[in-house]
Amino acid sequence: SQQGEEDPQALSIQEGENATMNCSYKTSINNLQWYRQNSGRGLVHLILIRSNEREKHSGRLRVTLDTSKKSSSLLITASRAADTASYFCATALIQGAQKLVFGQGTRLTINP
Amino acid sequence: KAGVTQTPRYLIKTRGQQVTLSCSPISGHRSVSWYQQTPGQGLQFLFEYFSETQRNKGNFPGRFSGRQFSNSRSEMNVSTLELGDSALYLCASSRDGVNEKLFFGSGTQLSVL
Repeated sequence: SQQGEEDPQALSIQEGENATMNCSYKTSINNLQWYRQNSGRGLVHLILIRSNEREKHSGRLRVTLDTSKKSSSLLITASRAADTASYFCATALIQGAQKLVFGQGTRLTINP
Repeated sequence: KAGVTQTPRYLIKTRGQQVTLSCSPISGHRSVSWYQQTPGQGLQFLFEYFSETQRNKGNFPGRFSGRQFSNSRSEMNVSTLELGDSALYLCASSRDGVNEKLFFGSGTQLSVL
């Protein structure tokens, strides 16, 4: 089963609004990463947050990590039509293979 | 720097055939990993190579194999194709594995008829 569970599965908002996506995972992690995927294309890395970090920012993106609750959130502020994409969280386990375990993703639609 | 390059972009094969996909990582990256993406199963890890050695393998049958060359370029091969192998196959590279961000290629869309 997937390590990461994302919520919601789909989100539709108006341009200019903020979008929040959540990710929960099951086992201890080394880091958690967020990726964006435009339809049928490769994934683009957004932010990596390590297990000893609680919050990271990159432009309009803010990621939080709560290791006690095994959860993370991605906030996109002042959304734009170009933000329309699928967003995935992925975890790198502390004791595990050199692989990322992906959630099922959140499909974000920004309406003009 | 050039990004991760995957070829071909699209492939159409029939059941029973075999296929080879290619991935050229970013220069200087020694770790190359492969993922399969389908609507039903999402993104699933196939395998990861580092300096020509397979370090990790996902839960896929032996029909799925790969290798990495001395220049870090990687290939994956799927033999005896099945309809369920239809998927987007993504390659990703990094300097040293998943303790840092991965750079993904645009993928190879494989359709098995």
